[in-house]
Amino acid sequence: KAGVTQTPRYLIKTRGQQVTLSCSPISGHRSVSWYQQTPGQGLQFLFEYFSETQRNKGNFPGRFSGRQFSNSRSEMNVSTLELGDSALYLCASSLEGAGETQYFGPGTRLLVL
Amino acid sequence: QQQVKQSPQSLIVQKGGISIINCAYENTAFDYFPWYQQFPGKGPALLIAIRPDVSEKKEGRFTISFNKSAKQFSLHIMDSQPGDSATYFCAAIAYNNNDMRFGAGTRLTVKP
Repeated sequence: KAGVTQTPRYLIKTRGQQVTLSCSPISGHRSVSWYQQTPGQGLQFLFEYFSETQRNKGNFPGRFSGRQFSNSRSEMNVSTLELGDSALYLCASSLEGAGETQYFGPGTRLLVL
Repeated sequence: QQQVKQSPQSLIVQKGGISIINCAYENTAFDYFPWYQQFPGKGPALLIAIRPDVSEKKEGRFTISFNKSAKQFSLHIMDSQPGDSATYFCAAIAYNNNDMRFGAGTRLTVKP
């Protein structure tokens, strides 16, 4: 089985721009979770999608949003980028939910200048 | 609200030595405890996991020890190798609550 894939792998944006990241889960997995990883804050949970619905949400501003498609692929969008949004954005999938063992993708490294 | 505390933040071990990373949790609803290994530029990868009905689980050089009463669990890496140099994250999962929390991570360096 192919693993979780994320595109793009690297991205450079400037302040004020918006960005969309994509995640394809492992085949058969219906839950997709997104995390932000920074050296100072570690892994922080953004949100989880299951069957095209946001089921859980972390403590991030409304600039961070996401969606899930009928094939379980998910996208994450960040609007009005700030310097502090520079991070590794990780997507993880599991069969039924964030409360199971999750399998992570390689991440998208976002740099905001 | 961090519910899983991980220590140490960084660890340096000589090749062949034992690496020990500790985690403590607060919420007794957690019922599954995986460890993840992350190399630079990669996403975390599941390494080993344990359920609270056992006190120890061993897979090759990696062992999880679990103390339910103390709400603590630890990862032991025996005969540590330079290739084990990575960041290790513990996690705690509550299936019924669909909740997963990560520790802050431990950067392990194994010196040759």
